Amino acid sequence: DTAVSQTPKYLVTQMGNDKSIKCEQNLGHDTMYWYKQDSKKFLKIMFSYNNKELIINETVPNRFSPKSPDKAHLNLHINSLELGDSAVYFCASSQATNEKLFFGSGTQLSVL
Amino acid sequence: GDSVTQMEGPVTLSEEAFLTINCTYTATGYPSLFWYVQYPGEGLQLLLKATKADDKGSNKGFEATYRKETTSFHLEKGSVQVSDSAVYFCARQNTGGFKTIFGAGTRLFVKA
Repeated sequence: DTAVSQTPKYLVTQMGNDKSIKCEQNLGHDTMYWYKQDSKKFLKIMFSYNNKELIINETVPNRFSPKSPDKAHLNLHINSLELGDSAVYFCASSQATNEKLFFGSGTQLSVL
Repeated sequence: GDSVTQMEGPVTLSEEAFLTINCTYTATGYPSLFWYVQYPGEGLQLLLKATKADDKGSNKGFEATYRKETTSFHLEKGSVQVSDSAVYFCARQNTGGFKTIFGAGTRLFVKA
């Protein structure tokens, strides 16, 4: 069983569209995250949730709206997609603070 | 703010060569330090970690020592293999924090 799974793996869409990426973890972790990786491999945190509550929002545009229906899921909805949103988005989870992150395999978003 | 700086790549080595990838971190608080590895098309996975000064993390022949006096956490391996070709990320996480900050990543190519 995949520990952290995210769908879809690839997402190609037009500018201005709205899209969602789903993430689920079966590790029983309390904390989940979204990271954005740009074309140069730079990895930047976007959001952190603990027990379904938003803990960190790293100055992400409000076109990005995370939603955590329960501790095992953290979805990312993006409105009015822009060219600059093209990147690989990674979901991750951890048992607690100071613990390692478990990453999903990423969603490659291409905005045309 | 907190940051992690690691040497720019790519690093190209021949098989069985010695590897060092430098990493320094900002000294705020008492962070835990990590090295993650990313293989093509995959998410990051933990390689090793150290949680306090003078700790040495090790895994699969890789080692890194938490040096508080030089705020460094350099990654080393005595003899690299072609299968070690990947992108390596140094990271820090504050005590009690929900944010892991990553360096820019260093791509390693190992030639047979």
